[in-house]
Amino acid sequence: AQSVAQPEDQVNVAEGNPLTVKCTYSVSGNPYLFWYVQYPNRGLQFLLKYITGDNLVKGSYGFEAEFNKSQTSFHLKKPSALVSDSALYFCAVRRGGYSTLTFGKGTMLLVSP
Amino acid sequence: KAGVTQTPRYLIKTRGQQVTLSCSPISGHRSVSWYQQTPGQGLQFLFEYFSETQRNKGNFPGRFSGRQFSNSRSEMNVSTLELGDSALYLCASSLGLAGVGGETQYFGPGTRLLVL
Repeated sequence: AQSVAQPEDQVNVAEGNPLTVKCTYSVSGNPYLFWYVQYPNRGLQFLLKYITGDNLVKGSYGFEAEFNKSQTSFHLKKPSALVSDSALYFCAVRRGGYSTLTFGKGTMLLVSP
Repeated sequence: KAGVTQTPRYLIKTRGQQVTLSCSPISGHRSVSWYQQTPGQGLQFLFEYFSETQRNKGNFPGRFSGRQFSNSRSEMNVSTLELGDSALYLCASSLGLAGVGGETQYFGPGTRLLVL
């Protein structure tokens, strides 16, 4: 079985400050990890993914994520938050071979001006 | 390249009716997956189609069905609608099999279904 936990329902950060959205996972074997963002009344937009290699993955809109195998985490980060980053963020995991993509419950990010 | 498109965007139905939702994948993508998103259950996988064949199915009743055409476009059908079927239905496409490794799925804007 595979699972994803996003421990925070909501993260509040002031514009210009760094942001972190947390994600931990459980999967057998090597994980494939993804971050998506969802704006109101929209579908999910792909931000970045980890397959193998460098533990720091860079993605769209200045976001990056750090893979930590020992802590089974894949936290999403951005050095300087924008008000327009306010949205719902989903972490997802898939194990090797053929399996479905399992999503976390989502974390609402609110960036205040 | 155009993204994933879904029609209709909004739909209101009554209990007992049936509904068909449509999804056009990104050009060249051969896999289409469907997800149901609700506030309570989050994102749940419905099924994946690749080359007109259902490759995987989630834990949903048989009232939920789908198909894929030779041009990779997909339709999802829900028969005998229940109140609990009210949700945002998302379609996602990928170049190869969606369930393999680092394959990235690209999502459409969704169809919001309200069952009264």
